[in-house]
Amino acid sequence: GAGVSQSPRYKVAKRGQDVALRCDPISGHVSLFWYQQALGQGPEFLTYFQNEAQLDKSGLPSDRFFAERPEGSVSTLKIQRTQQEDSAVYLCASSGTSGRDTQYFGPGTRLTVL
Amino acid sequence: GQNIDQPTEMTATEGAIVQINCTYQTSGFNGLFWYQQHAGEAPTFLSYNVLDGLEEKGRFSSFLSRSKGYSYLLLKELQMKDSASYLCAHSSGSWGKFQFGAGTQVVVTP
Repeated sequence: GAGVSQSPRYKVAKRGQDVALRCDPISGHVSLFWYQQALGQGPEFLTYFQNEAQLDKSGLPSDRFFAERPEGSVSTLKIQRTQQEDSAVYLCASSGTSGRDTQYFGPGTRLTVL
Repeated sequence: GQNIDQPTEMTATEGAIVQINCTYQTSGFNGLFWYQQHAGEAPTFLSYNVLDGLEEKGRFSSFLSRSKGYSYLLLKELQMKDSASYLCAHSSGSWGKFQFGAGTQVVVTP
């Protein structure tokens, strides 16, 4: 019974590069969430999927951020033209049947933009 | 997090008890969750409350008062491995959006 996995675990990008972060949720989990966590802070909500539908993207900080989950399983968070303020840990979480259920987190991707 | 308040740091001795308080805005409440996060690792689910009262899970207990917008996490018989950040998360809205506090860093000393 694998948990939530994310790849890569660490990513270093030069300012202006595009990056793609992958999340594999727990098998069968309907809901998937992306969060951004700055050092010493709690996770900040970015976006929420129920199956393949993106139901809430109110937390995406700019139009450089884009997320997709085309087949209702694996999800990708893409950041275009990265900037230094994008440096953070990006966490993915999944839950069983609805957004109200307990969320289970992956280990995160630490993004450093130079 | 928006209007989720918890202390920044607490220190306690191995074997002791520590209580971490969390206050939140009460509008649209669905549930209150507690997570443990060791440095560089994923948040791990500990406990949640939907109704008022105390939920006990081994050494960890969580309490909720919805009318007061208040919860606490109680850690008993502290062990060195309990040194971590403890995150309070408030679920609200139509689909249960989570808002996290900044976390309380618990330091357990010998």
